[in-house]
Amino acid sequence: DTEVTQTPKHLVMGMTNKKSLKCEQHMGHRAMYWYKQKAKKPPELMFVYSYEKLSINESVPSRFSPECPNSSLLNLHLHALQPEDSALYLCASSQIRDKAFFGQGTRLTVV
Amino acid sequence: ELKVEQNPLFLSMQEGKNYTIYCNYSTTSDRLYWYRQDPGKSLESLFVLLSNGAVKQEGRLMASLDTKARLSTLHITAAVHDLSATYFCAVDIRYGNNRLAFGKGNQVVVIP
Repeated sequence: DTEVTQTPKHLVMGMTNKKSLKCEQHMGHRAMYWYKQKAKKPPELMFVYSYEKLSINESVPSRFSPECPNSSLLNLHLHALQPEDSALYLCASSQIRDKAFFGQGTRLTVV
Repeated sequence: ELKVEQNPLFLSMQEGKNYTIYCNYSTTSDRLYWYRQDPGKSLESLFVLLSNGAVKQEGRLMASLDTKARLSTLHITAAVHDLSATYFCAVDIRYGNNRLAFGKGNQVVVIP
């Protein structure tokens, strides 16, 4: 199994809503990531978990809250988002310092 | 501040011809990654280059790394339409932490 599975694939949410993005991998990878990607731009790193601990937070606003319940799962909790947060959110996993496998992404629209 | 620069940002290729795209980075790093992204899709890992002089090949794509020049190249041999995509290079900028900095991408279109 070399897949990273993200749900949902599409999400439309209002600025007062609370929602969560989910990511799952069963490759035994010990690093998991959240990236944000705007159209025609490179991915921007948001968070890195290493061995289930948050190791990098790239100064992401607190309306984004990551969670790593176990070594296979990664969540991104969303609350009070702004329209400019609309983007493709990509989850990835890897062994430490190895190539990352990316999920198919969640296309988020904030209205 | 780390800079990862890719050029050209857009390249129109003719089928059957050879091309090279470039990735320069501004700080010391011991590994560099190449990814491919099709429009509206996620990223697919192509290569990990770990040392000076490293060369990796997969099909019509060949990547190399010169750490002294801080330069990686992605060479495309006999371009075909299926290679149309955006190619990103990414540099690991913090040892042991998988903190990657991506370039802006090389958008490649292969035309008949």
